[in-house]
Amino acid sequence: GQNIDQPTEMTATEGAIVQINCTYQTSGFNGLFWYQQHAGEAPTFLSYNVLDGLEEKGRFSSFLSRSKGYSYLLLKELQMKDSASYLCAVLGSGGGADGLTFGKGTHLIIQP
Amino acid sequence: GAVVSQHPSRVICKSGTSVKIECRSLDFQATTMFWYRQFPKQSLMLMATSNEGSKATYEQGVEKDKFLINHASLTLSTLTVTSAHPEDSSFYICSAPRGRGANVLTFGAGSRLTVL
Repeated sequence: GQNIDQPTEMTATEGAIVQINCTYQTSGFNGLFWYQQHAGEAPTFLSYNVLDGLEEKGRFSSFLSRSKGYSYLLLKELQMKDSASYLCAVLGSGGGADGLTFGKGTHLIIQP
Repeated sequence: GAVVSQHPSRVICKSGTSVKIECRSLDFQATTMFWYRQFPKQSLMLMATSNEGSKATYEQGVEKDKFLINHASLTLSTLTVTSAHPEDSSFYICSAPRGRGANVLTFGAGSRLTVL
């Protein structure tokens, strides 16, 4: 089976740094994705990790440890527009996108 | 970049009627599209995989006769919710794979269905 855990909600301050954690137990592993979803809108792709380590892309970085079944999304220099839900998704066995399982998302609230 | 257009964005219908949602890939061809459903504060749940030129593949627990999927061309997939009931009220999102070995998904803007 597939199980993905991430915190339901987090609060951070504008200009600060926040780390959103995701742990997973899945049947097979072919990569981990992070998506951003603003309320009432479709998710947009942020990052993809398939090997252990840190992937940096501007203000956003994503880390993966396959042995620990753990990933985090790091957001720096937070802006008000970063208030959104952040979805962790794992691609299980088979490798096709139909094997993608999403977590429930972490609702990030940015305060002035 | 890859764009997926989904229409309508919002629809309200009476119980027992049918609703059609369209999903189009605007600047690329999509032999496969995915239909998700998302209830408030819940994760995206895959309903079915739409395949151009062949039958859709439904996830366990999803009624294929209730959620009709037609992938008529390389750029269009439709989801029809037949005989809709209030419990079908949800956010329906389509997506198509694009890039990174075709595992990165580009999502449509979603369709908010409310069944009265």
